[in-house]
Amino acid sequence: GAVVSQHPSWVICKSGTSVKIECRSLDFQATTMFWYRQFPKQSLMLMATSNEGSKATYEQGVEKDKFLINHASLTLSTLTVTSAHPEDSSFYICSAHRIRNTEAFFGQGTRLTVV
Amino acid sequence: AQSVTQLGSHVSVSEGALVLLRCNYSSSVPPYLFWYVQYPNQGLQLLLKYTSAATLVKGINGFEAEFKKSETSFHLTKPSAHMSDAAEYFCAGLTDSWGKLQFGAGTQVVVTP
Repeated sequence: GAVVSQHPSWVICKSGTSVKIECRSLDFQATTMFWYRQFPKQSLMLMATSNEGSKATYEQGVEKDKFLINHASLTLSTLTVTSAHPEDSSFYICSAHRIRNTEAFFGQGTRLTVV
Repeated sequence: AQSVTQLGSHVSVSEGALVLLRCNYSSSVPPYLFWYVQYPNQGLQLLLKYTSAATLVKGINGFEAEFKKSETSFHLTKPSAHMSDAAEYFCAGLTDSWGKLQFGAGTQVVVTP
């Protein structure tokens, strides 16, 4: 089956620093990747849509300068949380879609804690 | 546009009992619907999906769901709960051709001995 690897699984960083999260589709090419944020005991909130070779499309209310998304290849998208603050602490999840396929394959998530 | 509503944020079932998780959708076009399971600090795992083929969909781990257009529902069931079924369950609908999903609020399942 399709595998999406997200790295790191957890990270602790100091306030003001930047953190990069990687999302890789290991055995298929992903035309589109999505980034979600999940608060404790809540559902997934879509942050942005990442298409290979083009700028990401951000959902309303998501700061594009704070959450930088790069989709440099058909197998890799990265989310960089810039100048992180404690309120950015959350669980971040990516998903990837195969070309002409409706099914989403999810990474294992990244627990970000900003101290 | 697609929207998904899960009824009941928390469900407690006894081991061996029926599991029933409710999901209703609203859509102006035939929907693509999914059920996912999430264990603590993990990503989402697909249980099953409806893509306009059979209305009764069988998934992994003994789960199944029935698409009922007349009721705009896609409820998830499992005849006999197991302790390992304790997790968060999300119903989701596809909102565009790129794969964007609209998630329900989620239902936490607790299984008691």
